[in-house]
Amino acid sequence: QKEVEQNSGPLSVPEGAIASLNCTYSDRGSQSFFWYRQYSGKSPELIMSIYSNGDQEDGRFTAQLNKASQYVSLLIRDSQPSDSATYLCAVNVSGGGADGLTFGKGTHLIIQP
Amino acid sequence: KAGVTQTPRYLIKTRGQQVTLSCSPISGHRSVSWYQQTPGQGLQFLFEYFSETQRNKGNFPGRFSGRQFSNSRSEMNVSTLELGDSALYLCASSLWLAGGDEQFFGPGTRLTVL
Repeated sequence: QKEVEQNSGPLSVPEGAIASLNCTYSDRGSQSFFWYRQYSGKSPELIMSIYSNGDQEDGRFTAQLNKASQYVSLLIRDSQPSDSATYLCAVNVSGGGADGLTFGKGTHLIIQP
Repeated sequence: KAGVTQTPRYLIKTRGQQVTLSCSPISGHRSVSWYQQTPGQGLQFLFEYFSETQRNKGNFPGRFSGRQFSNSRSEMNVSTLELGDSALYLCASSLWLAGGDEQFFGPGTRLTVL
């Protein structure tokens, strides 16, 4: 059974600091990794995709992937109150995506002004 | 480019009824996936459609079904509704098969079963 684990939080980070969100997955065959942000009452919004080991940067966001250790992380630099949301880690086994995306339960992030 | 749209946004039904939800993907996207989100279980994959064919299916009973039309629009149907079907139903579209491809979510349909 494919599993994606995230600390549910809440993770409280002061404004301007770096927020670090972590995710581990069980299926070694996983090939595609995504981070979604979900505000309360809204649908998930894609913020980062990463497919190979290393770092992927987009503005204030950096996704990091380590397939050997089966973890993926998301760093948010210069955290803003508007970053307060639930962050969902999603994993897919490529080659047809047999089971669609498998999501973690999400980490609730609170940025304190 | 317009995003994924879903209708209706809210639905209230009673046990035993059936419901049909609709999803229009981003223009040019050919894959539509459906997910159920509940506080207890989180986001769970229902099924994926590509070129009018169901390609993948999650672990849900046969009461949950769907289809895709030639214009890539998709519908999902839930028959004989149960209280536990109350959830946010999300559809997501991707350019190609969802495996490995980025998926973009619509606003969701909030279903309440009384």
